[in-house]
Amino acid sequence: NAGVTQTPKFQVLKTGQSMTLQCAQDMNHEYMSWYRQDPGMGLRLIHYSVGAGITDQGEVPNGYNVSRSTTEDFPLRLLSAAPSQTSVYFCASSYGTGSSEQFFGPGTRLTVL
Amino acid sequence: DAKTTQPNSMESNEEEPVHLPCNHSTISGTDYIHWYRQLPSQGPEYVIHGLTSNVNNRMASLAIAEDRKSSTLILHRATLRDAAVYYCILSLRNAGNMLTFGGGTRLMVKP
Repeated sequence: NAGVTQTPKFQVLKTGQSMTLQCAQDMNHEYMSWYRQDPGMGLRLIHYSVGAGITDQGEVPNGYNVSRSTTEDFPLRLLSAAPSQTSVYFCASSYGTGSSEQFFGPGTRLTVL
Repeated sequence: DAKTTQPNSMESNEEEPVHLPCNHSTISGTDYIHWYRQLPSQGPEYVIHGLTSNVNNRMASLAIAEDRKSSTLILHRATLRDAAVYYCILSLRNAGNMLTFGGGTRLMVKP
């Protein structure tokens, strides 16, 4: 199993550009989520999904969109990048929540100029 | 949602036990206590979780207070590879029980 994979590893955008961060998992997990981590801080939940076709907002959803058309993929779209979105983005998946272990991807380091 | 409080940093000597404390005084009866760690430049990694009883696995032990308002992660013999930020986490009940990370404890291990 590859686990949770994320692409790209690094990305530089200009203010106002849009892009999609990719996340895929091959563990048949129902639950997937996106977090961002700013320097020296813990992770904050952006959006999450409890199954294909179902998404919901986390703590910091503004400026981001998600969709979940398949169990395996959960892309995160930045609509119009801003310098405040400079961060490291982590995708995670799990069988369920509450008591389930979450598996994290390696992260995407995004810089917005 | 319930919050956790951890010391910002701790130091340990290699091959000695480490006790990482966490306070969660507003925990609810259905909240699991999770511990994750994050090595430099990596995503978080699951360590252990529990509800009421103490838990052991190959990585660590989790001691949960009887009133569940605090817990302690125990690394039995710290190695240099255990140097990381350790997060004590409760779930976000209004967000599908996803995790909410605080600042964590940065563990430094001295040879």
